[in-house]
Amino acid sequence: AQTVTQSQPEMSVQEAETVTLSCTYDTSESDYYLFWYKQPPSRQMILVIRQEAYKQQNATENRFSVNFQKAAKSFSLKISDSQLGDAAMYFCAYRVTSGTYKYIFGTGTRLKVLA
Amino acid sequence: DVKVTQSSRYLVKRTGEKVFLECVQDMDHENMFWYRQDPGLGLRLIYFSYDVKMKEKGDIPEGYSVSREKKERFSLILESASTNQTSMYLCASSFSLAGFTDTQYFGPGTRLTVL
Repeated sequence: AQTVTQSQPEMSVQEAETVTLSCTYDTSESDYYLFWYKQPPSRQMILVIRQEAYKQQNATENRFSVNFQKAAKSFSLKISDSQLGDAAMYFCAYRVTSGTYKYIFGTGTRLKVLA
Repeated sequence: DVKVTQSSRYLVKRTGEKVFLECVQDMDHENMFWYRQDPGLGLRLIYFSYDVKMKEKGDIPEGYSVSREKKERFSLILESASTNQTSMYLCASSFSLAGFTDTQYFGPGTRLTVL
């Protein structure tokens, strides 16, 4: 069965510093998508970044980047120049490319940003 | 702007009541999803629908049913609410185009308390 594991329930980072959130997954599929979603306090969950497994290049979106290690089944999120608005729950998610519409989410990491 | 709306932000019901949670999206998405979010458990899929009148069970469908009579609307029904269904319920929608990385768009969530 496919699983997504986020081993850090909570992380803290100083404003303007860099933080990395970890995510590992287990699958026997070769083609799939990986996502990081952000859920700010009392606000809607939004997509931060996504990665297609067939792409070797790591995805980046402004201050957010991923370290995708397909062989190790690891998909970490790096946030550079952390801002107070980055404080949120972050969820890692996986979806196989075809055959199902089902997403699998990790348990989340709560990120605190310290002024 | 992309929009997924849910009928209530907060809901309090009594044990045994029939509860309806409604979700509407304005993006003409084929896929719609219902999740429940509990601390330490992340997001767990209850049901999803890939077309009008089509539905599939997720990981935790027991005690729930769904209805999708129109493309834009997906309802979650608790036939007889129980205290263990106290949770945050999130609705999401996504496109279903071949080769398109179908990002999920989430609603604001309904926090349901069953007394």
